[in-house]
Amino acid sequence: QKEVEQNSGPLSVPEGAIASLNCTYSDRGSQSFFWYRQYSGKSPELIMFIYSNGDKEDGRFTAQLNKASQYVSLLIRDSQPSDSATYLCAVNRNSGNTPLVFGKGTRLSVIA
Amino acid sequence: GAGVSQSPSNKVTEKGKDVELRCDPISGHTALYWYRQSLGQGLEFLIYFQGNSAPDKSGLPSDRFSAERTGGSVSTLTIQRTQQEDSAVYLCASSPGVRGRRDTQYFGPGTRLTVL
Repeated sequence: QKEVEQNSGPLSVPEGAIASLNCTYSDRGSQSFFWYRQYSGKSPELIMFIYSNGDKEDGRFTAQLNKASQYVSLLIRDSQPSDSATYLCAVNRNSGNTPLVFGKGTRLSVIA
Repeated sequence: GAGVSQSPSNKVTEKGKDVELRCDPISGHTALYWYRQSLGQGLEFLIYFQGNSAPDKSGLPSDRFSAERTGGSVSTLTIQRTQQEDSAVYLCASSPGVRGRRDTQYFGPGTRLTVL
């Protein structure tokens, strides 16, 4: 079983719609959860992090965490063509500074 | 402020040669990580430095790979006798690394290594 799983996509949504990206993880003791955006040919850029169950909102982005279901998601409201990228889910087994375990990413395409 | 910097941005080498990749973390960050990303693959952890502690080398794929961090700042990843399967983007990340506190990693632009 892969440690962090994401649907590879591509996920296509029309401009202005809500894009929903999902991630599951296998280590029930995981503490910290991150979403990175990666444009083609570029390095990952941190978008959101979440540590507690529930929702966390930042502008057009909402991260949702359900530790009981071992599930974390990212919602992008009012999707724009500039949101088209690969979104990487990353999990930290600890609360402190230790290496992240990454999913392979979901490719999002926002159609104008 | 300045982010994580890496050099070179691109490196083409011949099979069997040694290469050195450099990472300069965000000023004040005590934790430094090396990952690599192969085409179509996720990010793979290689090695991690935290302050003056012994590095976590558990992700290094073979003994041809080594890394050091001088003065708690700049790090160099060395790959000896490169093989074609070493071709990948090598990414460095740093984080504040304050023990017992939540931590967030920030990535540099990466070095694209091509082994011919």
